[in-house]
Parts: sequence; structure tokens; C-alpha cells
Amino acid sequence: KAGVTQTPRYLIKTRGQQVTLSCSPISGHRSVSWYQQTPGQGLQFLFEYFSETQRNKGNFPGRFSGRQFSNSRSEMNVSTLELGDSALYLCASSPFPGQQETQYFGPGTRLLVL
Amino acid sequence: AQSVAQPEDQVNVAEGNPLTVKCTYSVSGNPYLFWYVQYPNRGLQFLLKYITGDNLVKGSYGFEAEFNKSQTSFHLKKPSALVSDSALYFCAVRDGGSSASKIIFGSGTRLSIRP
Repeated sequence: KAGVTQTPRYLIKTRGQQVTLSCSPISGHRSVSWYQQTPGQGLQFLFEYFSETQRNKGNFPGRFSGRQFSNSRSEMNVSTLELGDSALYLCASSPFPGQQETQYFGPGTRLLVL
Repeated sequence: AQSVAQPEDQVNVAEGNPLTVKCTYSVSGNPYLFWYVQYPNRGLQFLLKYITGDNLVKGSYGFEAEFNKSQTSFHLKKPSALVSDSALYFCAVRDGGSSASKIIFGSGTRLSIRP
């Protein structure tokens, strides 16, 4: 079956703009998690969604938000972009929340903020 | 507060030799421990986990990890390294005693296996 897909794969924005990233989970997976990967901060958990509800949120400012739709697809939004938001944003899906062993990751969206 | 440390940025091993990638953790409750691997251009993959039970956990691609409660460590090991094991490895921890706990990742260790 198809894996986790993320769109777009690459994105260039300027400071102050906003961006929306999309994640389509594996069919049948109802939980979606988002992570940020940067050279300086490493890999950090952003949010986890299940059945359209945010179950958990990492330590990120309110500029970072997300949502999940009834078909389990998820979007994350970053408003008022800063240079430090440049990162690889990874999405992962699993059948249920908290199941790291059944979690599959997408290829990521690489965001560059100029 | 929970934290995880990977003290080595890079580990270099000759093919066929055993490898160890180190990880230590700090968590207030029961530690749920994980290892992930990120191959170049292939995304992040789950390798193995420790929740409870045997201290030696076996995972994908011949990797295993040993949970040591007294030393708060969860080192990743493989008896015989392959060149294809070259990748970035992340250790992670979550407080299993809280359903609201967040997963925390280490800074990553780049493993390089030379032929």
C-alpha cells in the first residue's frame, strides 16, 4: 500500500510569510504526528493528532498549528515565518496514537526561510 | 523533565566489526525507549523499542539494544556491521507513566561503516 505522502517536498518562503504543509497518512492509519528536524536542534516533536483531535503538543510557539481532517489527512501551518523555522518537517502515521513501533514516516517537506 | 543524550556525534567502525551507539536518558516515570534510523534520502524508520520485560531488545536489520536501569542507558548494538548500516541514528525516550508525555529525541549519532 502507498506510504505516507507529504506535499510539497520543497518550499522556499521569506520571513513574515506563512506556510501550510500537508500530510496524507497510510490508508487505515488514524494518527498523525509532526516533527521538526534541524541541524542545530535535532529532531523535535511538534504535535500528534487522532480522530481530528490534537492529543499532544511539543514545546513550540503558537505560530505553529495543525489540524486533522475526517479522512485523517493532516496539515500544519506556520505563521509569521522566522529564519529559524528553516527545517525538514516530517510527518508520521500510525493506526493509533502512541504506537511508535507501527509509525511510518513520510519523506518530509524541506522548508527554507529567507 | 525528561532528556536523552547521545554523547557521540559520529561513530566509525570497520565492516564486520561489532558496533555500539551510546544513549543515556533521564525520565521521572517509567522509561519507554526507542531507536530510529535515518538513511540518506530514505526518511526516518523505527528500529526497536523497550517498554518492559527483557533488558535485551531485538529489532530490525539485526540491531539490538540493551536497557540498563542502573546506568540509565539504552545502547544500540550490532554484532557485525555492514556498510549499509551507515546512517544517522536517533535514540528517543518517553515517560510511560503519563499518557500526555511527549517523545524526546537525542541529537543523533552518525554511524559510518568503512569497507
